[in-house]
Amino acid sequence: QQQVKQSPQSLIVQKGGISIINCAYENTAFDYFPWYQQFPGKGPALLIAIRPDVSEKKEGRFTISFNKSAKQFSLHIMDSQPGDSATYFCAASRADTGRRALTFGSGTRLQVQP
Amino acid sequence: KAGVTQTPRYLIKTRGQQVTLSCSPISGHRSVSWYQQTPGQGLQFLFEYFSETQRNKGNFPGRFSGRQFSNSRSEMNVSTLELGDSALYLCASSSGHSSGNTIYFGEGSWLTVV
Repeated sequence: QQQVKQSPQSLIVQKGGISIINCAYENTAFDYFPWYQQFPGKGPALLIAIRPDVSEKKEGRFTISFNKSAKQFSLHIMDSQPGDSATYFCAASRADTGRRALTFGSGTRLQVQP
Repeated sequence: KAGVTQTPRYLIKTRGQQVTLSCSPISGHRSVSWYQQTPGQGLQFLFEYFSETQRNKGNFPGRFSGRQFSNSRSEMNVSTLELGDSALYLCASSSGHSSGNTIYFGEGSWLTVV
């Protein structure tokens, strides 16, 4: 059972454009939602994370929008740059795991064209 | 501050053999978790250790096991290797406190089973 569904699988955006990646979850026990960025040959690195008590969180060019009633959250990358080209993963975890067991989405390969 | 260190980075094993992977967490972190990353199944949680005790476990067969030492270093072992065990194995560490639970990943150990 895939508990976190991520779309699209791949995304091509022009430099300066907005990249939008969407995730939906099924388990209402999830209460922590991080996004990770992974470059080839590297481990995932935390970008930004949100708790369900807020609807939006912004850090620099990265924004998470969270819709608790729809059980959906999304990552927006503003002013996308070629250096943002990477694979992005949404994830979720539960308080009863200490939020230390992440369930990942399937990933989105982002390509930002110069 | 040194990041999460995994050894070896690359290894090739024969079907039926066993393998042990090692992970040194970020200094001061008491939680170590392991993930398997494959093109087909994506990133999947294996297990998590906190203060030498397995606290969370994913849905993997018993051939996959782990342990954590008193210095928080961790090892994972896969016995009776199968071709499908070929994957990138990622170790991650966190402080272990649910309120400050940023999870940091290492660069992984690439395992090829032939």
